[in-house]
Amino acid sequence: GAGVSQSPSNKVTEKGKDVELRCDPISGHTALYWYRQSLGQGLEFLIYFQGNSAPDKSGLPSDRFSAERTGGSVSTLTIQRTQQEDSAVYLCASSLPRGQGDNSPLHFGNGTRLTVT
Amino acid sequence: KQEVTQIPAALSVPEGENLVLNCSFTDSAIYNLQWFRQDPGKGLTSLLLIQSSQREQTSGRLNASLDKSSGRSTLYIAASQPGDSATYLCAVLNSGYSTLTFGKGTMLLVSP
Repeated sequence: GAGVSQSPSNKVTEKGKDVELRCDPISGHTALYWYRQSLGQGLEFLIYFQGNSAPDKSGLPSDRFSAERTGGSVSTLTIQRTQQEDSAVYLCASSLPRGQGDNSPLHFGNGTRLTVT
Repeated sequence: KQEVTQIPAALSVPEGENLVLNCSFTDSAIYNLQWFRQDPGKGLTSLLLIQSSQREQTSGRLNASLDKSSGRSTLYIAASQPGDSATYLCAVLNSGYSTLTFGKGTMLLVSP
């Protein structure tokens, strides 16, 4: 597609339920990132995928959070047993491979607004 | 650990004014610095990317400068318009890190 696509755009869930958020990056972008943006806060890095390398999971806030990337393209961020503090906008971004992509801008999707009630 | 600070947090100006947004970072060992724009309810749009070897980049009415040694960047917006109203974020990519470190942004309001 022309840009990074995220779905759903909005998700309301009850505390304790699991949720899955999807990201479809720009074709040819092997680098994929997940960020979280909470009200009044900056963007918080969650996880980074680069090609077939092991992902950098250093930003995941707890073991309730996980992500996978199938076939080097679509990525799914899963939050298990959601808590109210998980409410935020979850943003996905993609870019060219890191060796080429150090000076290539990140392209962001419009995000998924997650509300945990 | 890299820290990015943006000043001011919010700015309100009348249409037509030239303005400067400031970004500072604590670790000068960066690969690049990017300025983004975020409209309400939307993702981020990349405005300008300055490589570590560059001093500035220009796109239309926007000019971004980089002073790596002092850990500073500025985004200059000329002849501001109401359509420029948005939150502007600065982010740096460091060696040894997988991804960008973001500031908290400057919320800009340009009044007609």
